Amino acid sequence: QSVLTQPPSVSGTPGQRVTISCSGSTSNIGRNTGNWYQQLPGTAPKLLIYSNNQRPSGVPGRFSGSKSGTSASLAISGLQSEDEADYYCASWDGGLNGWVFGGGTKLTVL
Amino acid sequence: QLRLQESGPGLVKPSETLSLTCTVSGASVSDGSYYWGWIRQPPGKGLEWIGHIYQTGTTNYNPSLKSRVTISVDTSKNRFSLKLTSVTAADTALYFCAGAPPTFDIWGQGTVVTVSS
Repeated sequence: QSVLTQPPSVSGTPGQRVTISCSGSTSNIGRNTGNWYQQLPGTAPKLLIYSNNQRPSGVPGRFSGSKSGTSASLAISGLQSEDEADYYCASWDGGLNGWVFGGGTKLTVL
Repeated sequence: QLRLQESGPGLVKPSETLSLTCTVSGASVSDGSYYWGWIRQPPGKGLEWIGHIYQTGTTNYNPSLKSRVTISVDTSKNRFSLKLTSVTAADTALYFCAGAPPTFDIWGQGTVVTVSS
């Protein structure tokens, strides 16, 4: 059971916009920032979004993040087939004094 | 360009100690701009933070693993290490080393560790 809760799967068609939610608590997302990773099959996770809505250099603008209260969201617009991957949210948890991850969401591009 | 590379045995026997090393290139492991951590991923499952270490030597460990985990830094070889004692089959996973902040933004490719007799 992960500390952060994500839907197990989402799907969309090419060009569509999809969102992935991440529900936490006051000890993690509520007081700290949300971060998002993309993991393609057989590879290491890649940082997509940090500090709720910041994109590292090289991450396309199609990926955006937001936070509201104790939840964070990742939006992917203009969906492409190469976006098919697992997505994980993460946040610092002050109660556990460590990093916590969501269980991951598998994005399928139909 | 900062790069990380994990190394260590791919097979560990139950009750023994898992030892992995992460070699850092492109930066000094004692650079105060970074802290260094370990994350694992059991087969078919999600990511689990194991712990991390700051250049001061201060560590933070996952409470569920704290009694069995030690992360240390070897500045002479520009690397940091993970030791996990008394392993069981539940410790079988893909182990990643990573560098931060703001969050873990640089990752090694990962190394598979199987716990089996």
